[in-house]
Amino acid sequence: TQLLEQSPQFLSIQEGENLTVYCNSSSVFSSLQWYRQEPGEGPVLLVTVVTGGEVKKLKRLTFQFGDARKDSSLHITAAQPGDTGLYLCAAYFSNDYKLSFGAGTTVTVRA
Amino acid sequence: NAGVTQTPKFRILKIGQSMTLQCTQDMNHNYMYWYRQDPGMGLKLIYYSVGAGITDKGEVPNGYNVSRSTTEDFPLRLELAAPSQTSVYFCASSLIGRGRGETQYFGPGTRLLVL
Repeated sequence: TQLLEQSPQFLSIQEGENLTVYCNSSSVFSSLQWYRQEPGEGPVLLVTVVTGGEVKKLKRLTFQFGDARKDSSLHITAAQPGDTGLYLCAAYFSNDYKLSFGAGTTVTVRA
Repeated sequence: NAGVTQTPKFRILKIGQSMTLQCTQDMNHNYMYWYRQDPGMGLKLIYYSVGAGITDKGEVPNGYNVSRSTTEDFPLRLELAAPSQTSVYFCASSLIGRGRGETQYFGPGTRLLVL
């Protein structure tokens, strides 16, 4: 089983502040995905990154894939209460079509 | 499209009881998956299926069984419930499963408590 480590485990910030969540592995990803999960619901895909060094933006969310394809980060600018949720990174390793998940970062944005 | 639907939403079982968690998708996806999510542990793959009639074990299959008689349905069976199976169970599906960023669509989950 490939291990994905996410940090921090919990993050609580004030509305308007910025935050960054990290996802790391000792193995190379073939691709990496970020999901957001709200209480009582299943995870919903936010983005997929495939190329080392790739940066993708989704409104106030910026996703970066490390050059070595072993790490990724999610940055939220001017966080809003609607950004509250569990952020999960998930990766495909080599040609394995099974998705491996990190433990998640619980983000709380206070109004 | 309803996407991926799961029933029931919540269930309490006594130790040793059995039950089936239902999962249905209406997107004509070939691949279907069952995960369990425990606090602070992320999602662990229990079983998956690459098409009707074909299933295989994931990371944590012990204590569970699955079947895939149709493209739409992928039920998960617990034969002898144990407290260690207390968890939230998610079913997911994807069109293909080639490991290059294929999107998985998740159901809303079934919360199971075994006492």
